Amino acid sequence: QISLKESGPTLVKPTQTLTLTCTFSGFSLGTNEMGVGWIRQPPGKALEWLALLYWNDVKRYSPSLESRLTITKDTSKNQVVLTMTNMDPVDTATYYCIHRQGDGDYGLWGQGTLVTVSS
Amino acid sequence: DVVMTQSPLSLPVTLGQPASISCRSSQTLVHSDGNTFLNWFQQRPGQSPRRLIYKVSNRDSGVPDRFSGSGSGTDFTLKISRVEAEDVGVYYCMQSTHWPLTFGGGTKVEIK
Repeated sequence: QISLKESGPTLVKPTQTLTLTCTFSGFSLGTNEMGVGWIRQPPGKALEWLALLYWNDVKRYSPSLESRLTITKDTSKNQVVLTMTNMDPVDTATYYCIHRQGDGDYGLWGQGTLVTVSS
Repeated sequence: DVVMTQSPLSLPVTLGQPASISCRSSQTLVHSDGNTFLNWFQQRPGQSPRRLIYKVSNRDSGVPDRFSGSGSGTDFTLKISRVEAEDVGVYYCMQSTHWPLTFGGGTKVEIK
């Protein structure tokens, strides 16, 4: 059974760097076609894709946020880490990780973690 | 980016009555492999999104058969044949054909 869980700080200050970890089970990022992505949702607003990491270490980023994002993996720990630099109050959101099982196949989400950006 | 436009924004429905949500994309969602990667997600209050439909019309395991998806190219629809109380929430379409993947703005389904 596949599961994912996000972890990281609940509060960061403006200009700081956010580091979030997605710890997953039930699949390996070493397996063909697998991937893990990050999505965020500001309070009361719609969903926005941030980044995606494929099993072959190919990385894709939202063009509008690419300069601030880095996604990496630790296959041995079953973790994917997202860093976002220069945090701003508008980045306040629930951040979710999501499992990719193949082309176009994004079915399972983590529970999400709320990150507030405030001084 | 592919823009996904959902309508309506809000959908008050009487229990037991049907509901329909539209999703239109700014460009075709037909992938080079011939598949159309259009998904529907349900987000109940306080929960993370749950996928209901993938590749336009395929229901995920455990999804009641009152939910159905249809459409092609740039025009898609999610239908609930008879709305139940547990269907309250926000519904999102998402295209996973083109990067960046993009979501519709959401449709809030509520009971009248």
